[in-house]
Amino acid sequence: KAGVTQTPRYLIKTRGQQVTLSCSPISGHRSVSWYQQTPGQGLQFLFEYFSETQRNKGNFPGRFSGRQFSNSRSEMNVSTLELGDSALYLCASGASGSIDTGELFFGEGSRLTVL
Amino acid sequence: KQEVTQIPAALSVPEGENLVLNCSFTDSAIYNLQWFRQDPGKGLTSLLLIQSSQREQTSGRLNASLDKSSGRSTLYIAASQPGDSATYLCAGSNDYKLSFGAGTTVTVRA
Repeated sequence: KAGVTQTPRYLIKTRGQQVTLSCSPISGHRSVSWYQQTPGQGLQFLFEYFSETQRNKGNFPGRFSGRQFSNSRSEMNVSTLELGDSALYLCASGASGSIDTGELFFGEGSRLTVL
Repeated sequence: KQEVTQIPAALSVPEGENLVLNCSFTDSAIYNLQWFRQDPGKGLTSLLLIQSSQREQTSGRLNASLDKSSGRSTLYIAASQPGDSATYLCAGSNDYKLSFGAGTTVTVRA
């Protein structure tokens, strides 16, 4: 059974640009959530989608957005990049449809560097 | 807002010693507690999931306990090996999201 796939794995952007990251969950999983990991702030929740609906959103500015497609694949977008957006962006896949997230499985992440 | 704290931040032990990693959370209204392992530059690997109705879970050399009333979880790793060197993170689940601690970085010396 394939795991969670995130693309691209590494990317370098300059300030002001935008970036789109992709996440393909484990087959059959309908929940996809996104997390930002930085040395200073640790792992912080960005948003969660289930069956194309955003069910929760973390405390991030509107420059961070996401969506989920009918095949459960998800994308997140960051516009007008800032230096502080440099981070490892992790996607998690889950089977649970209830408020209990259930066990989550993470991808290897997309490492974004903003210059 | 859920606050998750992990103590200690770092731990170095000789091979064969048992490891005890602590996690505390402020909001007892969690639905489950999950422990993860993260190797440098990698994603998170799920180790154990404890449902809110459970007190502990075991997998091989790993055992995790959960006490919701006191807001604590403990991960025990028996007979540590150099391959156990990694950062261990705990996370409480609520409202479709995980709230993570900062992690405990473990070094097992051969």
